Amino acid sequence: ETGVTQSPTHLIKTRGQQVTLRCSSQSGHNTVSWYQQALGQGPQFIFQYYREEENGRGNFPPRFSGLQFPNYSSELNVNALELDDSALYLCASRRDRRNYGYTFGSGTRLTVV
Amino acid sequence: GNSVTQMEGPVTLSEEAFLTINCTYTATGYPSLFWYVQYPGEGLQLLLKATKADDKGSNKGFEATYRKETTSFHLEKGSVQVSDSAVYFCALRDNFNKFYFGSGTKLNVKP
Repeated sequence: ETGVTQSPTHLIKTRGQQVTLRCSSQSGHNTVSWYQQALGQGPQFIFQYYREEENGRGNFPPRFSGLQFPNYSSELNVNALELDDSALYLCASRRDRRNYGYTFGSGTRLTVV
Repeated sequence: GNSVTQMEGPVTLSEEAFLTINCTYTATGYPSLFWYVQYPGEGLQLLLKATKADDKGSNKGFEATYRKETTSFHLEKGSVQVSDSAVYFCALRDNFNKFYFGSGTKLNVKP
């Protein structure tokens, strides 16, 4: 199996801008989750999608939004960027089957200046 | 609510020393417990997991036992190597497949 691929690997944006991060999951991975990992911290759950519908959300404002596509790719969109949005953003995906674990991507390092 | 607390680092050990990284959790329901490892500039890699009480997860010489009575999932390795230097995250996954991570423990192993 190929891994979970995220793009871009690094990104610099200006405060107030909008950004789209992408994740390409393995075939059959119907569930995808996004996490934000601030420097020196553990990942924090942003939201989860199952078969193209959001089915769980963490404590993040509405300017964090997502999409999941039928080809097992997904996006995380962040509007009105703030300096505190600077972090490593991770996506993780899994198959529907019982006991299948999540595979994490290597992440996108977003810096907001 | 659900949460994970793990010992703060960094932890510095000499090669071949014994490793323990403490992890305790608070959870409703019946979570699964995990240890992930993160090398510099990379994402998370699953190290081991346990899905129910008294299960022992093991991989690459690392072990952790799911202790419901003490709500703990401590990571151990009998003899660490320089290549084990990384950040280790304890995590629980709830019944909605949402992960809760600890803040991570950086391990430095010196030759």
